[in-house]
Amino acid sequence: QSALTQPASVSGSPGQSIAISCTGTNSDVGGSKYVSWYQHHPGKAPKLLIYEVTNRPSGASNRFSGSKSDNTASLTISGLQAEDEADYYCSSYTSSSTVVFGGGTKLTVL
Amino acid sequence: QVQLVESGGGVVQPGRSLRLSCAASGFSFSNYGMHWVRQAPGKGLEWVADISYDGRNKYYADSVKGRFTISRDNSKNTLYLQMNSLRAEDTAVYYCAKDWKWEVLTSGFDYWGQGTLVIVSS
Repeated sequence: QSALTQPASVSGSPGQSIAISCTGTNSDVGGSKYVSWYQHHPGKAPKLLIYEVTNRPSGASNRFSGSKSDNTASLTISGLQAEDEADYYCSSYTSSSTVVFGGGTKLTVL
Repeated sequence: QVQLVESGGGVVQPGRSLRLSCAASGFSFSNYGMHWVRQAPGKGLEWVADISYDGRNKYYADSVKGRFTISRDNSKNTLYLQMNSLRAEDTAVYYCAKDWKWEVLTSGFDYWGQGTLVIVSS
């Protein structure tokens, strides 16, 4: 159950687009349709942004989008806003019927 | 509206036990899988365990397997986490979370509680 690999930090200016990658293996990201993304502001509950690789729940901004290629999933945030500054986590269901998170990416809006 | 309220956290000595509870309301609890996720101080999110909607299937992270037990009482709309043989590395905020998908376990958790802090220290 090794954590999925995410960059420790990314940054961008307001209005720009950024992407966060999430790399796993054939046993999780590459072999699962259940890849999700979360936004986490410290001290608050995490918020689901994307489920099933590309789907957005009601309440999540359409500035957030997800994709996947082979063993790597990606979260793209377009039109960066100051309130997007937070920690972002990917997660995947695994072939062992467990869930694994990425190590988290800290987004800084410059 | 959906609400998940955790309780039972606190300070406990290494080797002792603690039971967390998560009271659910605002949705059909008996039709959704539930999860426990934790975050140690200064660390990222770590999935701990989950349980199917009917309680028949339970899965655990390797780090807690054999020490923690997840359970649910659908008549009381409550999720539990029994934590035995606690270690310093179990110190974390523990969140309960609802799976988004009807009667299926996934990695998508659409509602989370506010968390309960567990500190394992002598």
